[in-house]
Amino acid sequence: DTAVSQTPKYLVTQMGNDKSIKCEQNLGHDTMYWYKQDSKKFLKIMFSYNNKELIINETVPNRFSPKSPDKAHLNLHINSLELGDSAVYFCASSQEWIPSYNSPLHFGNGTRLTVT
Amino acid sequence: RKEVEQDPGPFNVPEGATVAFNCTYSNSASQSFFWYRQDCRKEPKLLMSVYSSGNEDGRFTAQLNRASQYISLLIRDSKLSDSATYLCVVRGYQKVTFGTGTKLQVIP
Repeated sequence: DTAVSQTPKYLVTQMGNDKSIKCEQNLGHDTMYWYKQDSKKFLKIMFSYNNKELIINETVPNRFSPKSPDKAHLNLHINSLELGDSAVYFCASSQEWIPSYNSPLHFGNGTRLTVT
Repeated sequence: RKEVEQDPGPFNVPEGATVAFNCTYSNSASQSFFWYRQDCRKEPKLLMSVYSSGNEDGRFTAQLNRASQYISLLIRDSKLSDSATYLCVVRGYQKVTFGTGTKLQVIP
C-alpha cells in the first residue's frame, strides 16, 4: 500500500544508453514532481505536473523527458545518459497546487542511477 | 543569495540536549513552510508543517518569522534516533524549494 512508488530502485547503465524511471501515486494527489539529489545531497526540482499538465520545467537538458499519462503517474525518460546524470532521482506528489493550503510533498523511495 | 539557506552542520549534540536549526528564505511571497527529515540513503519524510503561530509536536517545535523570513526547528531531549539531515522546505507560487539540509548527529 505504498503511497508513492517508483521503479526501479537501482539502475546501473552505461553512457549513451536510454533509460526510464516510473512513478505512481495512489494518494489521489493532483501534482507530481521529479527531483534530483546529487552527491552533495542537494535536492533540486526538475519537473512538476499538475493534472497531467507540465507546470515546472527547470533548467534540465532536453535529454530528460517527463511523461504523465494520467495524474497518478509521472515517468521520466532519459536519453543518451551521461556520467553527470548519476544521482538519486525522487518522485513526489502533493494534494493540490495552491500553496496556501499548506500541502506537503510525499516522496517515493528514490531511484539510484549510476552511469558508468 | 540562495532561495533557501541552512547551516549544513554537522551539529554534534549529546543525548538529551536541546538543539535548534534555522532556515532563511529570500522570497517574501512564500506561502507555506515545512521541515522534512532525511535519513542516509532514504527519501525525505515530512516532519512537520510550520505555522505562523508556531506549532509543537512532541519534542519538536517549529516557528515561522515572516518579518525576518526565517523558520526554526527546536528539538528537545534529543534521542539517538533523531540523527538525520533536516531539510527546510518553502512553497511559493508554482515552486517548492528545499534547503541544502542541516545534519544532526546525536551522540550517546
